[in-house]
Amino acid sequence: EAQVTQNPRYLITVTGKKLTVTCSQNMNHEYMSWYRQDPGLGLRQIYYSMNVEVTDKGDVPEGYKVSRKEKRNFPLILESPSPNQTSLYFCATKRGYSYEQYFGPGTRLTVT
Amino acid sequence: KNEVEQSPQNLTAQEGEFITINCSYSVGISALHWLQQHPGGGIVSLFMLSSGKKKHGRLIATINIQEKHSSLHITASHPRDSAVYICAVTGTASKLTFGTGTRLQVTL
Repeated sequence: EAQVTQNPRYLITVTGKKLTVTCSQNMNHEYMSWYRQDPGLGLRQIYYSMNVEVTDKGDVPEGYKVSRKEKRNFPLILESPSPNQTSLYFCATKRGYSYEQYFGPGTRLTVT
Repeated sequence: KNEVEQSPQNLTAQEGEFITINCSYSVGISALHWLQQHPGGGIVSLFMLSSGKKKHGRLIATINIQEKHSSLHITASHPRDSAVYICAVTGTASKLTFGTGTRLQVTL
């Protein structure tokens, strides 16, 4: 079954404590992306990756890091989380430029 | 002004009604997407289109490239259609830009 998995699904943490949200896909897709969703602002792209070892900034990359060492995994790293990073995060993948995106189930992060 | 605007923001309909959600965009695009987000939060891609019209079951999506406008229609609406519907466009470098969504509630 085609899947995009995210872990953890829910996380409450404190300001400054480094965390990683993992994203994994089993569809051999080249393109992966991270989004955050906030009320009234909709979904905004944080980072994306066109292929292994190729990553680029989206609209709101400040405070986040990513890496793409393997095709299937695209972790999102918050080195020093702050309360304004409290949000619902989605990972998404697609086969290439002109294809539909498949979204993970979401990770709800609260930073206190 | 947002690059992708949706209307209405909220919509309540009775079961069986024909529903239209509109999306206008202001940038050059290679494709437009309609997504559905249920109350649990998961996002599903409904359509991706770059011209004309697509139909899937009771859902129809149209796009007018010259007018930079797309519509999502739901025929014979049902309470299970209650969700947030999101329009998004693919611009340069495969970047997706999203509208803020239309919250649809279908009542019995």
